[in-house]
Amino acid sequence: DTGVSQDPRHKITKRGQNVTFRCDPISEHNRLYWYRQTLGQGPEFLTYFQNEAQLEKSRLLSDRFSAERPKGSFSTLEIQRTEQGDSAMYLCASSFPIFDEQFFGPGTRLTVL
Amino acid sequence: EDQVTQSPEALRLQEGESSSLNCSYTVSGLRGLFWYRQDPGKGPEFLFTLYSAGEEKEKERLKATLTKKESFLHITAPKPEDSATYLCAVQDSTGGFKTIFGAGTRLFVKA
Repeated sequence: DTGVSQDPRHKITKRGQNVTFRCDPISEHNRLYWYRQTLGQGPEFLTYFQNEAQLEKSRLLSDRFSAERPKGSFSTLEIQRTEQGDSAMYLCASSFPIFDEQFFGPGTRLTVL
Repeated sequence: EDQVTQSPEALRLQEGESSSLNCSYTVSGLRGLFWYRQDPGKGPEFLFTLYSAGEEKEKERLKATLTKKESFLHITAPKPEDSATYLCAVQDSTGGFKTIFGAGTRLFVKA
């Protein structure tokens, strides 16, 4: 499969727990993006990487959120001390160096109880 | 601050009834404007990229146009399978590759 993959597809957790999501981009795509999407809204930008460098992080993102992309391949998004307001679909996308179109994964749906 | 506003929020059409979706944007400088389609429970799927005012792109029943302040997605003779949420997004030329999405227009096409 040559598409963007995300794991897990669904996550249910209790408030206060930490969660980590993984994204595997399309190979040779050097840019990787993380978004959060709630019902009826468009994707909200969280952060993006160019290779292994995290170039921008949304000011809306609290310190409880952190993302990494070691070696410029897969990426992880961690949410510490989850809150009910973190419940959303977390989307990952990647893009090829000379093209701007982003290819999205299927998303990870997080439910915080 | 970069902003994207889409209208209408929802649009109901009969099969074959052409219409247009609007995307108004505010950026310091436009690097690119994007249209995506999103089906329920799935990630967005890329449709078009527009870079400068006057540019137009077409794909099957869809045509995207761009002015200095807004973009339109024209749907000609839609079919029920065109039912989806259509998302507009922008990248500011001063902001790297940060991408700002609008809330989308939910399109329903009835047979």
